[in-house]
Amino acid sequence: QQPVQSPQAVILREGEDAVINCSSSKALYSVHWYRQKHGEAPVFLMILLKGGEQKGHDKISASFNEKKQQSSLYLTASQLSYSGTYFCGTEGFSNDYKLSFGAGTTVTVRA
Amino acid sequence: NAGVTQTPKFRVLKTGQSMTLLCAQDMNHEYMYWYRQDPGMGLRLIHYSVGEGTTAKGEVPDGYNVSRLKKQNFLLGLESAAPSQTSVYFCASSYLVGTGISYEQYFGPGTRLTVT
Repeated sequence: QQPVQSPQAVILREGEDAVINCSSSKALYSVHWYRQKHGEAPVFLMILLKGGEQKGHDKISASFNEKKQQSSLYLTASQLSYSGTYFCGTEGFSNDYKLSFGAGTTVTVRA
Repeated sequence: NAGVTQTPKFRVLKTGQSMTLLCAQDMNHEYMYWYRQDPGMGLRLIHYSVGEGTTAKGEVPDGYNVSRLKKQNFLLGLESAAPSQTSVYFCASSYLVGTGISYEQYFGPGTRLTVT
């Protein structure tokens, strides 16, 4: 079952912050975050494992609340290069190494 | 090191025709995946493989078949194409970190398929 992402789209000015949420109805082992630029392949940003950890990638960070089965991606002091569609991918405890991806959140950063 | 490559990049088929999409990776990854991406739907898993000679169904397997005869290649077949299979198809590969944690997926550049 696909996780639910919100919002569907967000428009930012350079330097502004944004939060993208990913929510699942099933227990999660890990959450992955990917970014896809228009016309390109998705690119891995980070993976968060159960344990409530928080990770970062430049000024992009994420948290994982396993009890709530939710993850959030934080875009801090956004840059033009942050534009793209962000996908969360969730992995359950079935031990089959496959992800269910959300529908994506399109981020547009304007100068 | 080419990473993940996909052949072809573009294809137009008529309804009822068949074709095979080829995915190749040179990173010695165990796991390989085929996704389709449609507007507003994100990435949906079609089939995947956890090793040479093994395949499994994903979320949307109907109308597709796969084979993984060699570790580095993962083929996606459409036996009788339908307009509903018009989509962008992405292949990905991944490897298992020693402690049993699946790790990042590396995606190929995609194949844009149109079925008329």
